[in-house]
Amino acid sequence: DTGVSQNPRHKITKRGQNVTFRCDPISEHNRLYWYRQTLGQGPEFLTYFQNEAQLEKSRLLSDRFSAERPKGSFSTLEIQRTEQGDSAMYLCASSPIRSGPDLDTQYFGPGTRLTVL
Amino acid sequence: AQKVTQAQTEISVVEKEDVTLDCVYETRDTTYYLFWYKQPPSGELVFLIRRNSFDEQNEISGRYSWNFQKSTSSFNFTITASQVVDSAVYFCALSELYGANNLFFGTGTRLTVIP
Repeated sequence: DTGVSQNPRHKITKRGQNVTFRCDPISEHNRLYWYRQTLGQGPEFLTYFQNEAQLEKSRLLSDRFSAERPKGSFSTLEIQRTEQGDSAMYLCASSPIRSGPDLDTQYFGPGTRLTVL
Repeated sequence: AQKVTQAQTEISVVEKEDVTLDCVYETRDTTYYLFWYKQPPSGELVFLIRRNSFDEQNEISGRYSWNFQKSTSSFNFTITASQVVDSAVYFCALSELYGANNLFFGTGTRLTVIP
């Protein structure tokens, strides 16, 4: 079973540009999460999907951010009109909701490091 | 509101020493999960353990052990006979048992094991 994958691993962009990140969860994981991690901090929750439905969004997710999970498989996170404050590591995680030892455990991808110049 | 505090920002130990990483949490929920994750220099968060709030049994896995004390809202992590490969940032996290289960992380403890 492959783990969570994220692309690209690194993204450098100029302020004002739009960027899109992709996350492929572990197959059969119903839940998918996006987090943001800045230097020296723990990850902070951004949004959560159960299958294709986006069920929760953090107040950190401004209207410049949008996330989708079409067909309940991979997910994309888009940031429009990037700002320097958006520079961070964007982490994706997935978890199963079936019973078993992995229940409600989130497994993380390698992250996408965004640098906004 | 949930909150996780990891008061130790950085710890350095000499190889083979034991080290304990502290985690204190706050929550109004009566049932919740507690987690530890490891973040090596490569950056990927690696799951180490999940503990349910109603299971206060301590757990040992190889050189790792966890001490959960609900009375003091603490979930401490001990590495026995530390190794250089243990050098990483360690995060404690909390989530509700139901609903979105999104994780609330502490600020992490950077562990450096000196050979």
